[in-house]
Amino acid sequence: SQQGEEDPQALSIQEGENATMNCSYKTSINNLQWYRQNSGRGLVHLILIRSNEREKHSGRLRVTLDTSKKSSSLLITASRAADTASYFCASTGGGNKLTFGTGTQLKVEL
Amino acid sequence: GAVVSQHPSWVICKSGTSVKIECRSLDFQATTMFWYRQFPKQSLMLMATSNEGSKATYEQGVEKDKFLINHASLTLSTLTVTSAHPEDSSFYICSASEERDYGYTFGSGTRLTVV
Repeated sequence: SQQGEEDPQALSIQEGENATMNCSYKTSINNLQWYRQNSGRGLVHLILIRSNEREKHSGRLRVTLDTSKKSSSLLITASRAADTASYFCASTGGGNKLTFGTGTQLKVEL
Repeated sequence: GAVVSQHPSWVICKSGTSVKIECRSLDFQATTMFWYRQFPKQSLMLMATSNEGSKATYEQGVEKDKFLINHASLTLSTLTVTSAHPEDSSFYICSASEERDYGYTFGSGTRLTVV
């Protein structure tokens, strides 16, 4: 079953703007990960944040984690048309199975 | 970095035939691989966990006789869709992790169309 719900389901912004996606999950986690999927392709791992971390940065990406609210957010700054893709949060609980959120479809327009 | 190769990238088959999809970890050994199914504009649903040298663990609702998984070596897992029907048409993706608590590496996916 899906572990997380993502919000918004779809997001359309102009190039140069920031994009924020939110993820809520249901059970306790070891870590939370964000992935990107271009249409019809496999997934690319973007960033992993551990349960004892609150914020993490990687290039134009910033991820936050609030374990008390069981939520995470992904911020993409200064977006580019090439950032157009679907973004998924995913997590592992006590085991190593990775379960995915519902995803956010991001469209960055020129 | 870790690379997972999935083959074929797309396949069209006739109803009633079987299709095999391969997933290989190219530069690391994977004792565990995962198979997912994805419908258009939807998220990934975990189908099964493939364990090297032992039986796969299937998620609830996934028919193990329909989706045969074999993980004969530390670098290869295969998913065979047996007696395929049009409702089996979907995007199938495998993944593996080089280390626990690291990000997972995904294959490029296989688009299966059953006609």
